[in-house]
Amino acid sequence: DAGITQSPRYKITETGRQVTLMCHQTWSHSYMFWYRQDLGHGLRLIYYSAAADITDKGEVPDGYVVSRSKTENFPLTLESATRSQTSVYFCASQGAGSGANVLTFGAGSRLTVL
Amino acid sequence: GNSVTQMEGPVTLSEEAFLTINCTYTATGYPSLFWYVQYPGEGLQLLLKATKADDKGSNKGFEATYRKETTSFHLEKGSVQVSDSAVYFCALSPTGNQFYFGTGTSLTVIP
Repeated sequence: DAGITQSPRYKITETGRQVTLMCHQTWSHSYMFWYRQDLGHGLRLIYYSAAADITDKGEVPDGYVVSRSKTENFPLTLESATRSQTSVYFCASQGAGSGANVLTFGAGSRLTVL
Repeated sequence: GNSVTQMEGPVTLSEEAFLTINCTYTATGYPSLFWYVQYPGEGLQLLLKATKADDKGSNKGFEATYRKETTSFHLEKGSVQVSDSAVYFCALSPTGNQFYFGTGTSLTVIP
């Protein structure tokens, strides 16, 4: 199916554990983004990627690691989860051509850290 | 710097009421402006956009006009429906690869 998919949709983990959230897009878009959504803060950018093997920090990168070995995948890893990382995480990709300058979002991954 | 300020919520309206959600921005240069909508349990999706001053974006009965003189991009709809209940986000993009979002405004429409 065409689009952008995130997995898992729901995850419960414990403090100190490593967690990886997956993001896959089928359009070969160059730019991809990870946001977290928290009440009162809206969306905050964690990391973004301009292309395979090119990533950069956003507004709130501490505690997160990303990689992008293939254009279509952009996983987000919490190396040692903390309770403050309980949030809803959204992956997005940016269109090209007539869809340029528009973000398309995945359905989100709700992470709870106990 | 770049930032978006939007109306605090939550907003509750009766069906067929008029909707306005205020959005103002601070930006360098001439950003593109957007409204995104998030339905319960889903990701954000583009509702409408405007790329230059005085442009009006419109979709599904919603409208917003890019006002450079007041740095605003207020969202309006003449007659809301229950199905419009969602969270609405104003956003700007100054460069094409950077996006700044407001905190979101929750709208509930009651029959």
